[in-house]
Amino acid sequence: SQTIHQWPATLVQPVGSPLSLECTVEGTSNPNLYWYRQAAGRGLQLLFYSVGIGQISSEVPQNLSASRPQDRQFILSSKKLLLSDSGFYLCAVDRGPSTEAFFGQGTRLTVV
Amino acid sequence: SQQGEEDPQALSIQEGENATMNCSYKTSINNLQWYRQNSGRGLVHLILIRSNEREKHSGRLRVTLDTSKKSSSLLITASRAADTASYFCATADSNDYKLSFGAGTTVTVRA
Repeated sequence: SQTIHQWPATLVQPVGSPLSLECTVEGTSNPNLYWYRQAAGRGLQLLFYSVGIGQISSEVPQNLSASRPQDRQFILSSKKLLLSDSGFYLCAVDRGPSTEAFFGQGTRLTVV
Repeated sequence: SQQGEEDPQALSIQEGENATMNCSYKTSINNLQWYRQNSGRGLVHLILIRSNEREKHSGRLRVTLDTSKKSSSLLITASRAADTASYFCATADSNDYKLSFGAGTTVTVRA
């Protein structure tokens, strides 16, 4: 079965600082990878998804970016954080449209 | 953009009672999935129902799908305190494959 490693679990960053969140997957190859953001008490907003190395699709224009340097590595970045970037960031993986998604444990980012 | 919308937003029930929540979506789908999220944690997959299926069971969970009404329901029978969580429906568009989630239903089971 798949295992998703996502770190750090919590992060407090000042406005204007850079961000790098990493997600790695074990137990599968060539997965679809996703970054979601969840505001407090709300649903999940899809930020980025990737179907292969170097292939990134952005769902929401913002100051965040994503990269997939290796098959099972997905990175979420920002050059300068905004207060509105605060939230709970979740990495997810699946194998296609009719398969279940597996989620990491999330990173709670607070921008101060 | 969010495709699925759950109803109600919040639900409080006594242990042993059944909990029912609904999900409506907008476009044609390949399948519909239900997930659970405990506070501050990642989501856990509960059940997947394909577009050609009408009902599916898994333990104390029962999911229905009505593609003509673009809606689904999740029933949790004989609820337990451990069922306290937020429940989300997610759909995979027929023309795409990425999952879109609703805003969720927060279920509180009182002991």
